[in-house]
Amino acid sequence: AQTVTQSQPEMSVQEAETVTLSCTYDTSESDYYLFWYKQPPSRQMILVIRQEAYKQQNATENRFSVNFQKAAKSFSLKISDSQLGDAAMYFCAYNNYGGSQGNLIFGKGTKLSVKP
Amino acid sequence: GAVVSQHPSWVICKSGTSVKIECRSLDFQATTMFWYRQFPKQSLMLMATSNEGSKATYEQGVEKDKFLINHASLTLSTLTVTSAHPEDSSFYICSARDRVHEKLFFGSGTQLSVL
Repeated sequence: AQTVTQSQPEMSVQEAETVTLSCTYDTSESDYYLFWYKQPPSRQMILVIRQEAYKQQNATENRFSVNFQKAAKSFSLKISDSQLGDAAMYFCAYNNYGGSQGNLIFGKGTKLSVKP
Repeated sequence: GAVVSQHPSWVICKSGTSVKIECRSLDFQATTMFWYRQFPKQSLMLMATSNEGSKATYEQGVEKDKFLINHASLTLSTLTVTSAHPEDSSFYICSARDRVHEKLFFGSGTQLSVL
């Protein structure tokens, strides 16, 4: 069975600084998808970034980028120029089918605080 | 962009009553919807997969007779918590699959409090 592990229950970053959230996963599949979701206090799940395992290039979305290490089964999220609005729970998630089929398997989450 | 509407956003009910939660895809057809449960300060746990026109698939440990799922149309799935008890109090979130655009969208969630 696939598993997703987030080893940092909480993280803190100074506004405008950079922070990296860690995620590791376990799977025997060769083709899969990885995601980072943000859940602010409103509890709406917001897709931050998505990575296809067959792509070697790390995904980037504005201030958000990932470091995808397939051999190590590692998928970290880097947030640059942190803003107060980035404060939220961040969940790493795995899916075999690109997120449109099958369910997402979530890690336990990392609570990110941003200090002004 | 695609939107998934989930109602109600919060509900308080007495123990022993039933509560229905709706998950509706507003501008796409969702043949598959997923229902998750989230306890405070915890992650999302899949409860069941809802397929249009067929029976839902429940995850191990989820009581199908307590959590009734109906996916009668391509845009609507409902989760009914029957004979609710305080331990059923939780945050319930649905997600819907957009097959055309190969994306998954989440509803805004429902906070259920059973007194």
